[in-house]
Amino acid sequence: AQSVAQPEDQVNVAEGNPLTVKCTYSVSGNPYLFWYVQYPNRGLQFLLKYITGDNLVKGSYGFEAEFNKSQTSFHLKKPSALVSDSALYFCAVRDKTGRRALTFGSGTRLQVQP
Amino acid sequence: DAGVIQSPRHEVTEMGQEVTLRCKPISGHDYLFWYRQTMMRGLELLIYFNNNVPIDDSGMPEDRFSAKMPNASFSTLKIQPSEPRDSAVYFCATITGASTDTQYFGPGTRLTVL
Repeated sequence: AQSVAQPEDQVNVAEGNPLTVKCTYSVSGNPYLFWYVQYPNRGLQFLLKYITGDNLVKGSYGFEAEFNKSQTSFHLKKPSALVSDSALYFCAVRDKTGRRALTFGSGTRLQVQP
Repeated sequence: DAGVIQSPRHEVTEMGQEVTLRCKPISGHDYLFWYRQTMMRGLELLIYFNNNVPIDDSGMPEDRFSAKMPNASFSTLKIQPSEPRDSAVYFCATITGASTDTQYFGPGTRLTVL
């Protein structure tokens, strides 16, 4: 069975500082990996995904993530945080079989302080 | 496109009542997923459909829950009878099978069972 771990319930960072939100995964074979963001009272919005190729994936709003196969990690990063980045972030995985459902992590709340 | 549409946005009901949640997928998307989000359990997949056919309902918590997709433009999730522990935010998400699985989420239905 596939699984995702987001070890930090909350990450606090000052505006302008770099941020990292951690994610590790477990899946049979090669993964599809995703990051989603959820603002209060809203649905999840897609940020970026890794399917194949370059291990560094760039996404929306200046976010990027690095796929590390040996460490089974897919950490989300941004060079300079904004207060508006404060939200709940979810990592998700699926394998490359026919099953199309994603498995989501528990979420990490990012708080960017002015 | 208007995106994934869910109704109602908020539902408050009393224990024992029937609740019906509705989802209209993005036109042309042939996979539809129902998720439930709670503080305790995070984001859980309940069921998903492909071309209106249920593919995996292993996440449906019990017989009180049922889901249908009578056509490509509409799906319902029904709870009968409802219980306080069903209180959660229910999301619908859709993808096109030709894609690499970026799921598009609706805004969710916040269900409160008193």
